[in-house]
Amino acid sequence: SQTIHQWPATLVQPVGSPLSLECTVEGTSNPNLYWYRQAAGRGLQLLFYSVGIGQISSEVPQNLSASRPQDRQFILSSKKLLLSDSGFYLCAWITTGGRRETQYFGPGTRLLVL
Amino acid sequence: AQSVTQPDIHITVSEGASLELRCNYSYGATPYLFWYVQSPGQGLQLLLKYFSGDTLVQGIKGFEAEFKRSQSSFNLRKPSVHWSDAAEYFCAVGYSGTYKYIFGTGTRLKVLA
Repeated sequence: SQTIHQWPATLVQPVGSPLSLECTVEGTSNPNLYWYRQAAGRGLQLLFYSVGIGQISSEVPQNLSASRPQDRQFILSSKKLLLSDSGFYLCAWITTGGRRETQYFGPGTRLLVL
Repeated sequence: AQSVTQPDIHITVSEGASLELRCNYSYGATPYLFWYVQSPGQGLQLLLKYFSGDTLVQGIKGFEAEFKRSQSSFNLRKPSVHWSDAAEYFCAVGYSGTYKYIFGTGTRLKVLA
């Protein structure tokens, strides 16, 4: 069965520091991968999605970036964190090749920028 | 632009009462429709999904949802709510081949003992 991992689970970082969040998927190949952010009391905001290695689509211009160095690995990064980057970050995946794509989510990373 | 609306931000029901959470989506090609549940500090868990066929779909934890094309709605229902159902519920819409999913802003459910 497929499993999605995110780490770290919780992170407290000072403003201006760098960020690296990692997401990996097991039990599937060539998934589409997604990064969402969920601010307190708000819905999900799509940040990036990737349909393959090295292929990144950005949905919201900001100081975050994403990379996909391997088929089942998706990384969210920042060179300098802002206070507004605080939130709950969710990674998700779907299988590809079929018509009935269902999105599955990881456990999330809670980021607090101080 | 495509959008998903969950008009109720908060809903409070008594344990054992019935529940209906509303979801409306903007017009588009035949969508894929989903309901997810999120407990505090957790990721989203898929409750049920609709792709085609029977418009009444059954999900986990006793939930069901009905797709009504004429109303562009996909409301979530449960005949008898349990205290453990207290959580936030998200409706989502996807379209074949777009690889992008649109989420509503969520409905937070509180269950009174």
